[in-house]
Amino acid sequence: NAGVTQTPKFQVLKTGQSMTLQCAQDMNHNSMYWYRQDPGMGLRLIYYSASEGTTDKGEVPNGYNVSRLNKREFSLRLESAAPSQTSVYFCASSEASRAGGNTIYFGEGSWLTVV
Amino acid sequence: AQSVAQPEDQVNVAEGNPLTVKCTYSVSGNPYLFWYVQYPNRGLQFLLKYITGDNLVKGSYGFEAEFNKSQTSFHLKKPSALVSDSALYFCAVRDNPTFSGGYNKLIFGAGTRLAVHP
Repeated sequence: NAGVTQTPKFQVLKTGQSMTLQCAQDMNHNSMYWYRQDPGMGLRLIYYSASEGTTDKGEVPNGYNVSRLNKREFSLRLESAAPSQTSVYFCASSEASRAGGNTIYFGEGSWLTVV
Repeated sequence: AQSVAQPEDQVNVAEGNPLTVKCTYSVSGNPYLFWYVQYPNRGLQFLLKYITGDNLVKGSYGFEAEFNKSQTSFHLKKPSALVSDSALYFCAVRDNPTFSGGYNKLIFGAGTRLAVHP
């Protein structure tokens, strides 16, 4: 009963380094999301994938890229990390429905520090 | 634009007392509203949602929320607080499907920290 699994849980990067956050879900959901959480700002959407083969920008996409590898996996890449990208990153998934009331399920988070 | 506000950064309540965590929203069209809870160093857990129907929605762990259309509010409530309820609570509203390709992206409030004291 894993749900949404993301790795790594903790990472420290130097400015300019690159890294990829991995995410997989086992709920057969069509839609997947990457959010970042910063103190006092709630969660902000970075990118989302409404269905396999599609990705779209969210509120704060700059400095990030994503890949929807298959229906299960959705990765987030930081090409050149900056201190402003220090944050907690959450992957999430849901059914895709134009009715829109579907629950979004979250992973446990990845704590990223850029020094 | 869709938005959600949680006017209180922190709510303090004594164990056994009723609790309320406030949320107001601004949407065009029918509101789809959600509450999530986050325990320290953990991901967000779904508590409850309002899509349509009865204004009083019951969720996990004894929580409930009341949808009030005239006041554009969706406050989270629990009749008797537990110390274990201490956590960060997020209200969220679904983005306008016209702008999101019909898929349910959520817009989150800033969060309210609930502290329940013994």
